[in-house]
Amino acid sequence: DQQVKQNSPSLSVQEGRISILNCDYTNSMFDYFLWYKKYPAEGPTFLISISSIKDKNEDGRFTVFLNKSAKHLSLHIVPSQPGDSAVYFCAASEASGSRLTFGEGTQLTVNP
Amino acid sequence: GAGVSQSPSNKVTEKGKDVELRCDPISGHTALYWYRQRLGQGLEFLIYFQGNSAPDKSGLPSDRFSAERTGESVSTLTIQRTQQEDSAVYLCASSLMTGELFFGEGSRLTVL
Repeated sequence: DQQVKQNSPSLSVQEGRISILNCDYTNSMFDYFLWYKKYPAEGPTFLISISSIKDKNEDGRFTVFLNKSAKHLSLHIVPSQPGDSAVYFCAASEASGSRLTFGEGTQLTVNP
Repeated sequence: GAGVSQSPSNKVTEKGKDVELRCDPISGHTALYWYRQRLGQGLEFLIYFQGNSAPDKSGLPSDRFSAERTGESVSTLTIQRTQQEDSAVYLCASSLMTGELFFGEGSRLTVL
């Protein structure tokens, strides 16, 4: 039972353009959502989060959008840079500090 | 150290042998998680420790897997009678009650 799904295993964009990574979830009890970035041979690192009381959270080039009615969230990176090339994981929990459920990840490649 | 430390970083073992993987979380972090990532797949939850509460073991794939945590410090993940399908990167993470997990670099297990 995959409660968090990232349907695109990979995404390729040109440097300077916008990258949009999508994530869908099925558990209506999820109310805290996070994005993690993972480089090869390293552990995932926290990128940005959003709680269910908000529909948008912005941090520099990174913005996360949450659509609760559609059970969908997305990560926008603009402008994309080659250093953003990594695997991006969407994660969700029923409360801040509780167990995180991760999606399968999306490999983002930003081409110079 | 400042981050989550895992050892060994790499482990090659023969099918049927037992292995132990160690995690030193960030000092003061009450929560500790074990995840694994098999080749080409997402992060799979294994077990979650939170303070003195009973651990959430719901992600352990079989009774060959067990984990312990000493207070709010070191955790050991033990896999008995390893099988080839156990080959994966085993990731440990710790957190405060904020939902943001800090991951170690992982222990890559290869079962021949």
